[in-house]
Amino acid sequence: QKEVEQDPGPLSVPEGAIVSLNCTYSNSAFQYFMWYRQYSRKGPELLMYTYSSGNKEDGRFTAQVDKSSKYISLFIRDSQPSDSATYLCAMSRSSASKIIFGSGTRLSIRP
Amino acid sequence: NAGVTQTPKFQVLKTGQSMTLQCAQDMNHNSMYWYRQDPGMGLRLIYYSASEGTTDKGEVPNGYNVSRLNKREFSLRLESAAPSQTSVYFCASSEILANGNTIYFGEGSWLTVV
Repeated sequence: QKEVEQDPGPLSVPEGAIVSLNCTYSNSAFQYFMWYRQYSRKGPELLMYTYSSGNKEDGRFTAQVDKSSKYISLFIRDSQPSDSATYLCAMSRSSASKIIFGSGTRLSIRP
Repeated sequence: NAGVTQTPKFQVLKTGQSMTLQCAQDMNHNSMYWYRQDPGMGLRLIYYSASEGTTDKGEVPNGYNVSRLNKREFSLRLESAAPSQTSVYFCASSEILANGNTIYFGEGSWLTVV
């Protein structure tokens, strides 16, 4: 079993919709959680990072962490065609430990 | 500020050939990484270096060697390339933030072994 599981998609939604992207994990020691966005033929870029459980909002993006369920989510409001990309979740046990990535969800926003 | 720079961007190798992927970062980060990314497999860690002078194996180290030349540079070497090493390779560096750490990636190196 992988430490981090992520539905690969593809996920296709119309412009303006709310998008929900999710990851589950098996290691309860993970405390730091990140979401990365990767455009085609580019390196991943950091979108958001959170520590422990709770919500964090940044513009149209909201990250949620539920440690009791070992489940994290990224919500995108008012989705735009420019949000079309692959989204990868990532997590680590401590601030200095290795970062483990999910396999990524491919998202397409239809104009 | 260039961030993480890796070269070459594209390379075709014949089976058995050797090559080195170069990586440099200008953010004064201690930790550096090499990942490979394959369809459906996500990012898999090959090697990482927590600080200058140290290196550790990741998930998929077989067939690779690394050198942390100094704080800025971290190279990945394929001694005898195999078709299974056809992949996109990403170099990355990380910093420790107040509530965690985060990775900054290079643009990727597309390697094909024929």
